[in-house]
Amino acid sequence: EAQVTQNPRYLITVTGKKLTVTCSQNMNHEYMSWYRQDPGLGLRQIYYSMNVEVTDKGDVPEGYKVSRKEKRNFPLILESPSPNQTSLYFCASSWGVGANVLTFGAGSRLTVL
Amino acid sequence: DQQVKQNSPSLSVQEGRISILNCDYTNSMFDYFLWYKKYPAEGPTFLISISSIKDKNEDGRFTVFLNKSAKHLSLHIVPSQPGDSAVYFCAASVGGGTSYGKLTFGQGTILTVHP
Repeated sequence: EAQVTQNPRYLITVTGKKLTVTCSQNMNHEYMSWYRQDPGLGLRQIYYSMNVEVTDKGDVPEGYKVSRKEKRNFPLILESPSPNQTSLYFCASSWGVGANVLTFGAGSRLTVL
Repeated sequence: DQQVKQNSPSLSVQEGRISILNCDYTNSMFDYFLWYKKYPAEGPTFLISISSIKDKNEDGRFTVFLNKSAKHLSLHIVPSQPGDSAVYFCAASVGGGTSYGKLTFGQGTILTVHP
């Protein structure tokens, strides 16, 4: 089944404790992206990657890092999480140029105390 | 600055009636528009899209209308069914066929369809 898989789905952590949310897609998609969903703000893009070793900032990149060492994986790293990063996170992918339709993962709900 | 706005946080309709969800945008460079549906504990799933060269696109019970002069699009669901109850996100992108899927989303509208 073609899908985007995120882990963990739920996580409660404390301020300053580094964490990584993994994202993997099995569709050989070139493009991958991270979004966060917050009440009243919809989905906002954090980082995106157009291919292996090519990443760039989205609209709200502060406090996050990403890497794209393999085509299928695009982990989101929070080096020093803070309470304002409590959110619902979605990873998404699409096949490449002209592909405006994103396929989303099921989401990762993160709480930072 | 919210470039894509869904001003109605929620909408409640009776089963069998029409649901109309609205979306406004401010960036005149947007040339491709999409609607996504999201159920609780799931990721958003693509529903329907429209290019700026069209003013209407239909797919079964779902129709999207685009009014470029007003920078407004709407999603019509006819007839509405209880299974349509979900959060609906409007999204837009720049670059049409050359873009890489950078989507700007609205805040979402919670649709509830009552039996």
